[in-house]
Amino acid sequence: EVQLVESGGDLVKPGGSLRLSCVASGFTFSAYSLGWVRQAPGQRPEWVSFISAGSSYIYYAESLEGRIAISRDHATNSVFLQINSLTADDTATYYCVRKARTAMVADFWGQGTRVIVSS
Amino acid sequence: EILLTQSPGTLSLSPGERATLTCRTSQSPDKISLAWYQQRPGQAPRLLIYGASIRATGIPDRFSGSASGADFTLTISRLEPEDFAVYYCQKYGISPYTFGQGTKLEIK
Repeated sequence: EVQLVESGGDLVKPGGSLRLSCVASGFTFSAYSLGWVRQAPGQRPEWVSFISAGSSYIYYAESLEGRIAISRDHATNSVFLQINSLTADDTATYYCVRKARTAMVADFWGQGTRVIVSS
Repeated sequence: EILLTQSPGTLSLSPGERATLTCRTSQSPDKISLAWYQQRPGQAPRLLIYGASIRATGIPDRFSGSASGADFTLTISRLEPEDFAVYYCQKYGISPYTFGQGTKLEIK
């Protein structure tokens, strides 16, 4: 069974930073791209970033580029998202997702980790 | 940027009825592919359809997708109680990989 378990969400002050983590299991970690999709309360989802299986290709949403960094660790089957210079607009649930092999879609989702940016 | 417009915003139907949801692209869909997701309250979205008409693994065959020009359609042939949720389309093939604003399918 595919499982994606996120952690690291928190209440953070504007201007702060956060590192989100996701541990994957139930599939061949080295064979899939993994990423993050966020969803602000009552809003549509938004692709944030994804990293290819071998880390050779990375996508960042234009609205976040320069403030985020994605990485993965094959030793621990983990993917990470570093977000800097947080603003209230970053308040959302952040989902770890597995990207489908043949399409730019999220075929499995974690349950999400909440990030709240507030003073 | 290619925009996605979902309609209707809210669809009120009864279990057993047929649901038709639409996602329209603002530009020619030649290089665009489309996916559909279902999101139940308090849950993460779930992939239903990709490539406009390919069901994801484990998705019941009452869900189907189709495309005609700039219009993409998700059809649920006979609504089950668990189908009442919010549905999002998502484009890919050309970045950004944006989602539509959603259609809420509610029980009439």
